[in-house]
Amino acid sequence: DAGVTQSPTHLIKTRGQQVTLRCSPKSGHDTVSWYQQALGQGPQFIFQYYEEEERQRGNFPDRFSGHQFPNYSSELNVNALLLGDSALYLCASSLTGPGNTIYFGEGSWLTVV
Amino acid sequence: DAKTTQPTSMDCAEGRAANLPCNHSTISGNEYVYWYRQIHSQGPQYIIHGLKNNETNEMASLIITEDRKSSTLILPHATLRDTAVYYCIVRVMDSSYKLIFGSGTRLLVRP
Repeated sequence: DAGVTQSPTHLIKTRGQQVTLRCSPKSGHDTVSWYQQALGQGPQFIFQYYEEEERQRGNFPDRFSGHQFPNYSSELNVNALLLGDSALYLCASSLTGPGNTIYFGEGSWLTVV
Repeated sequence: DAKTTQPTSMDCAEGRAANLPCNHSTISGNEYVYWYRQIHSQGPQYIIHGLKNNETNEMASLIITEDRKSSTLILPHATLRDTAVYYCIVRVMDSSYKLIFGSGTRLLVRP
């Protein structure tokens, strides 16, 4: 049973560019969330997708957008990249319903130069 | 903001129990205590969670005080591979799925 998988694992982008990160949830999970983790800090919630719609959003600008596909996989898109967007981007999945455990992938390291 | 307070760092000897404290004095009745850990450069790993009773699984034990204002995560026989940042999180068990992470405790297990 594969856990949460993310791609790519590492990437380097230039300021102003756009990036797309991908996530496949744990088998059977229908809810996907994205987190940003800057160096030395705890992960910060970006948004969550369920039934192909954004259900909840953290304090992130509109440059951060996402998508969930019918097979529950998800993408995180960041436009107009800033140096401050350099971080580990984590995908987390769970089964909808109160109390279900949230599982994380290994993350995608984004460096903006 | 995170609703928990944890020491910045701790250490323990390999083979000994590691006891990681967490304060959550403003916890509400419908909020659970969750523990995750993050080994360097990896994604957070779920450890255990509880509401008011003590919980144990293959990884750890969770002791929650009777007033629920604090808890302790116990790793019974710490190994070098347990060196990580440990996050204590209070989570409302409703349709909100987001986890609010604090700064966590950096546990160093010494040989």
